[in-house]
Amino acid sequence: DVVMTQTPPSLSVAIGQSVSISCKSSQSLVYSDGKTYLHWLLQSPGRSPKRLIYQVSNLGSGVPDRFSGTGSQKDFTLKISRVEAEDLGVYYCAQTTHFPPTFGSGTKLEIK
Amino acid sequence: QVQLQQSGAELAKPGTSVKLSCKASGYTFTSYYIYWVKQRPGQGLEWIGYIYPGNGGTYYSEKFKGKATFTADTSSSTAYMLLGSLTPEDSAYYFCARRGNGFAYWGQGTLVTVSS
Repeated sequence: DVVMTQTPPSLSVAIGQSVSISCKSSQSLVYSDGKTYLHWLLQSPGRSPKRLIYQVSNLGSGVPDRFSGTGSQKDFTLKISRVEAEDLGVYYCAQTTHFPPTFGSGTKLEIK
Repeated sequence: QVQLQQSGAELAKPGTSVKLSCKASGYTFTSYYIYWVKQRPGQGLEWIGYIYPGNGGTYYSEKFKGKATFTADTSSSTAYMLLGSLTPEDSAYYFCARRGNGFAYWGQGTLVTVSS
């Protein structure tokens, strides 16, 4: 199975700051169709995960453009600009290029 | 709009079974795989497997073979997961999610507590 390694495990940021989360995969996530199936999810406290970004950089419906995703092959980054209080929770990267789907271990974002 | 509505919390004794449900609406149930995902309290997400309601095909992660059994009722657009031979390690939230678009749709989760 593809191993997804997220760093850091936790972050504490002030409102209005920017933050980046890294996700590295044990294999390239480029599929045979040329697309990269790397996604970012946010699980707010007591809630089910919510998709933020799909295929590296595509913003999900209703997701603020403060969120952005970049990367390629095995190295990916989620950036949150101007953090707001509602952004707290655990962020997960996930890959669906290779079977079975796998998730990163999560990055917990706390607000100072 | 796409919705996945899961059944309520379960309290079960060790050695017994529970059957969780995931009712889909807002799309053609038979056209999309349903994934099941486990999350122990304070832990990360673990993919259990899938069912394809279109033909009933299933796949189980190696770890969950013999533990989980997926079924689907196309008449009610509902997917089920039977968890058997429960142990305290099965205590967790269980989510259903629709395959596609990077995990765009999730159920609200069902908490299973295994305790004597």
